[in-house]
Amino acid sequence: EDQVTQSPEALRLQEGESSSLNCSYTVSGLRGLFWYRQDPGKGPEFLFTLYSAGEEKEKERLKATLTKKESFLHITAPKPEDSATYLCAVQAEGNNRLAFGKGNQVVVIP
Amino acid sequence: GAGVSQSPSNKVTEKGKDVELRCDPISGHTALYWYRQSLGQGLEFLIYFQGNSAPDKSGLPSDRFSAERTGGSVSTLTIQRTQQEDSAVYLCASSLGYSGSSYNEQFFGPGTRLTVL
Repeated sequence: EDQVTQSPEALRLQEGESSSLNCSYTVSGLRGLFWYRQDPGKGPEFLFTLYSAGEEKEKERLKATLTKKESFLHITAPKPEDSATYLCAVQAEGNNRLAFGKGNQVVVIP
Repeated sequence: GAGVSQSPSNKVTEKGKDVELRCDPISGHTALYWYRQSLGQGLEFLIYFQGNSAPDKSGLPSDRFSAERTGGSVSTLTIQRTQQEDSAVYLCASSLGYSGSSYNEQFFGPGTRLTVL
């Protein structure tokens, strides 16, 4: 069974204090790893897809990286508007569903 | 363009009643998914539709849950004889569908918050 574990569960950052979120996964053949952002009361918003180990993608203050066992979402010089829950999900070869972790809840304090 | 829409946004029902939740996917997206998000839990896959193929129902938690997709577009998730443990946010997503070596990302709607009293 595909498993995704995210850590830390919750993180409080001062504005400008860079940090990283971890997503460890177990999957029988990775088709893709996905990062989403979810604000309270809203659906997940797509951020990145990573397909193979060594791949990196960036968007504004966010950078996602992938190894064979885990992915990191680096937040550089965060701002209060980066406060959200960040969700990691994997899709296995031969499968169409996403298996999600429980998320990293990030609060950025001005 | 318009994103995935879901209705109603909130639904409160009494235990034992049936409910229907609706999803309108992004125009042109052939794949449609339903997930459930319970408090403190990750998103849980329920069902997947791809074009005219038979749906993947392997995530439905019981036979009280069913879903259909009419005309390859709008989908309805039905929960019969609702129980308190069915209380959750039900999320719909759509994508262009898998093709060749590229995977098309799933885009989510705002969800329907279901409360069973």
